[in-house]
Amino acid sequence: KQEVTQIPAALSVPEGENLVLNCSFTDSAIYNLQWFRQDPGKGLTSLLLIQSSQREQTSGRLNASLDKSSGRSTLYIAASQPGDSATYLCAVDLRSDMRFGAGTRLTVKP
Amino acid sequence: DGGITQSPKYLFRKEGQNVTLSCEQNLNHDAMYWYRQDPGQGLRLIYYSQIVNDFQKGDIAEGYSVSREKKESFPLTVTSAQKNPTAFYLCASGLLAKNIQYFGAGTRLSVL
Repeated sequence: KQEVTQIPAALSVPEGENLVLNCSFTDSAIYNLQWFRQDPGKGLTSLLLIQSSQREQTSGRLNASLDKSSGRSTLYIAASQPGDSATYLCAVDLRSDMRFGAGTRLTVKP
Repeated sequence: DGGITQSPKYLFRKEGQNVTLSCEQNLNHDAMYWYRQDPGQGLRLIYYSQIVNDFQKGDIAEGYSVSREKKESFPLTVTSAQKNPTAFYLCASGLLAKNIQYFGAGTRLSVL
């Protein structure tokens, strides 16, 4: 059964720092991988989608990488801002369903 | 305004009561999903539907029921058989061909 793990569970950084969030999965037979942002008490907003054939995707200050063979993905946030404070979840798409990690709660301090 | 609408935002359930959470989408998506989110855990799939009048159980379907009479609507009923219903419930929809899901704002269910 596919397991998705996100480390760390929580992260606090000063404004302006570059940071990396990690996601690992146990079965490399994935269709794609998505990174989501969730604000407290709200739904999920898709940030980046990486197809299984791709290595990375970029959107603004965000860069997500995918290494299927090692079962890892990273989300890199450049020049972090207080508005980036949220929980970030990764999800692997197995075609039949999606498996979510528990998320990393990020706090960016002014 | 296109999107996925979940209602109500907050819901309280009494002992032995069934409650229904609403999910409506006007994105013309074929597939709709219900997830449960508990603190410190990832989302867990309750039910999903890929076509009208058809739906499949997810990982934690016990104590829940759904219907899909219209493409736009996928209500979730939390029955009295669900002994631990307190959670945040998220509805999503998506196009099967693209396999991307779009999420509603969620419903927080609590037990009185």
